[in-house]
Amino acid sequence: NAGVTQTPKFQVLKTGQSMTLQCAQDMNHNSMYWYRQDPGMGLRLIYYSASEGTTDKGEVPNGYNVSRLNKREFSLRLESAAPSQTSVYFCASTGSSGGAYEQYFGPGTRLTVT
Amino acid sequence: GQSLEQPSEVTAVEGAIVQINCTYQTSGFYGLSWYQQHDGGAPTFLSYNALDGLEETGRFSSFLSRSDSYGYLLLQELQMKDSASYFCAVRAGLTGGGNKLTFGTGTQLKVEL
Repeated sequence: NAGVTQTPKFQVLKTGQSMTLQCAQDMNHNSMYWYRQDPGMGLRLIYYSASEGTTDKGEVPNGYNVSRLNKREFSLRLESAAPSQTSVYFCASTGSSGGAYEQYFGPGTRLTVT
Repeated sequence: GQSLEQPSEVTAVEGAIVQINCTYQTSGFYGLSWYQQHDGGAPTFLSYNALDGLEETGRFSSFLSRSDSYGYLLLQELQMKDSASYFCAVRAGLTGGGNKLTFGTGTQLKVEL
């Protein structure tokens, strides 16, 4: 089991460019999440997908879109990158809608927007 | 909404015991989780308390008082590898279904010789 995988690991974008962060899990989990982590701050929820076919906004959704492609995959898209989106992005998953207290995280994508 | 407070830094010596406190304000509280994150790594789950009291897992214990909106993580027999950031997170329901975690800003633990 690979757990939760994310690609790419590192990315540098220029302001205005777009990109998609990929996330996949092989644990047959229902719920998936996208977080961003900035220095000295905790993880902030961008978007989540409680189950396949559903997505919804978290605390900081502006500037992002998501797609739950299937049960395994949940992607995050930046349509027009801004320097304020420089951050580390983590994808996570959890086994049941009632079990969100134990989330499994991917290794993260370190994104710099210049 | 939810808000959590925890100390930004704690320093302790190898072999000692350290307690990391977390106070929270939230609606629809289900429970309190703790995560560990080493520099450059991903958060990993340590423990969860839904009910009042102490949960013990090896060298780590976690405590919750729902009436005081307060919890703590207790690390015993500290080792150098315990140097990391520790996050508390409250679990609450989501309007779209399922649950979510709201994370505190983290406590950086430094273990010294």
